[in-house]
Amino acid sequence: KQEVTQIPAALSVPEGENLVLNCSFTDSAIYNLQWFRQDPGKGLTSLLLIQSSQREQTSGRLNASLDKSSGRSTLYIAASQPGDSATYLCAVSDSGGYQKVTFGTGTKLQVIP
Amino acid sequence: GAGVSQSPSNKVTEKGKDVELRCDPISGHTALYWYRQRLGQGLEFLIYFQGNSAPDKSGLPSDRFSAERTGESVSTLTIQRTQQEDSAVYLCASSLIAGYLGELFFGEGSRLTVL
Repeated sequence: KQEVTQIPAALSVPEGENLVLNCSFTDSAIYNLQWFRQDPGKGLTSLLLIQSSQREQTSGRLNASLDKSSGRSTLYIAASQPGDSATYLCAVSDSGGYQKVTFGTGTKLQVIP
Repeated sequence: GAGVSQSPSNKVTEKGKDVELRCDPISGHTALYWYRQRLGQGLEFLIYFQGNSAPDKSGLPSDRFSAERTGESVSTLTIQRTQQEDSAVYLCASSLIAGYLGELFFGEGSRLTVL
């Protein structure tokens, strides 16, 4: 059974700092890994998706890396802004014909002005 | 529509009543997921539909919960004889399995409060 862990559970940083969020998963047989953000009372917004054959994806100030063999992914946020405050979740899709998606419990980020 | 649409956005009901939640996925998306998120908790998988294949119902917490989807269109999640523990946000997501993605797109959720 796939298990996804995110550390830390919460993080508070001053505006402008670069930061790294971590995601680990127990079964390396994945199809893809996706990072989301969730604002309070809202649904999830997709940030980046990394296919199992890829090592990283970039979008603006966000960079996600994937090391499938070690079961790890990181989300790097450069020059953090107060608007980045949200909960960040990673999710892995199992490989094979059926893409069951397993979510981590998230990292709650607060960027202090 | 442009995104995943869920209705109602908010539902308050009395214990013991039945409720029906609706999800309208992105057009052309073959896969549809339902998740439950209790206050301050992570996402709990409920059910998964993929085209005309048999759905994976392994996450449904009890036989009070059921879901249907006809082909690749709208899905409804029904909760019978609601209990206070059913209070949560119910999130729906869809994805285009074929080709590049498998990327999940979420709706805004349906917030259910059982009094």
